[in-house]
Amino acid sequence: GQQVMQIPQYQHVQEGEDFTTYCNSSTTLSNIQWYKQRPGGHPVFLIQLVKSGEVKKQKRLTFQFGEAKKNSSLHITATQTTDVGTYFCAGQGSQGNLIFGKGTKLSVKP
Amino acid sequence: EPEVTQTPSHQVTQMGQEVILRCVPISNHLYFYWYRQILGQKVEFLVSFYNNEISEKSEIFDDQFSVERPDGSNFTLKIRSTKLEDSAMYFCASRLDRQETQYFGPGTRLLVL
Repeated sequence: GQQVMQIPQYQHVQEGEDFTTYCNSSTTLSNIQWYKQRPGGHPVFLIQLVKSGEVKKQKRLTFQFGEAKKNSSLHITATQTTDVGTYFCAGQGSQGNLIFGKGTKLSVKP
Repeated sequence: EPEVTQTPSHQVTQMGQEVILRCVPISNHLYFYWYRQILGQKVEFLVSFYNNEISEKSEIFDDQFSVERPDGSNFTLKIRSTKLEDSAMYFCASRLDRQETQYFGPGTRLLVL
């Protein structure tokens, strides 16, 4: 079945450093979505990428969708302590269900 | 802003007991989902529901699980005979259509003893 791999599993950074998480799918994706989950919280939608090669920015966050629509990345510039949490990518299955990666847990040291 | 709600927030049950987890999706949404997340692990798809029937289910969603939309607002997940490994956070999600954002509820933390 469709699988979504995500690396790294953990990332510890000093506040102000950049952070990147990468996502790869075993199959071509119709779209990819990114979610953030704070400790003890639920996944919160960040963004959806649909087009091949698409790049979207939200303040310090930059999201990319690969040309082949099989990989994606999330880059955070100059991390802040409020960025702490687990970032998940998710590909969409045929019925709209989400297939999540394992997530990258980001910790930021002040 | 409309949101997905779930009750209860926490549920503790004995192994072998039945539990019903409740969700109220966003009112005009048409697609409904259940996911679970075992502590420290990724979010896993369980089942999707559309037009009053299951549209897809994962291999996790075996005969012990069932879903229902008993009225126009509630969407429930029933586990008939809970097992220890059913302990997890269960998230309900809904969306307006298949291309729109999926909104997650706050989750129900289920602990099976």
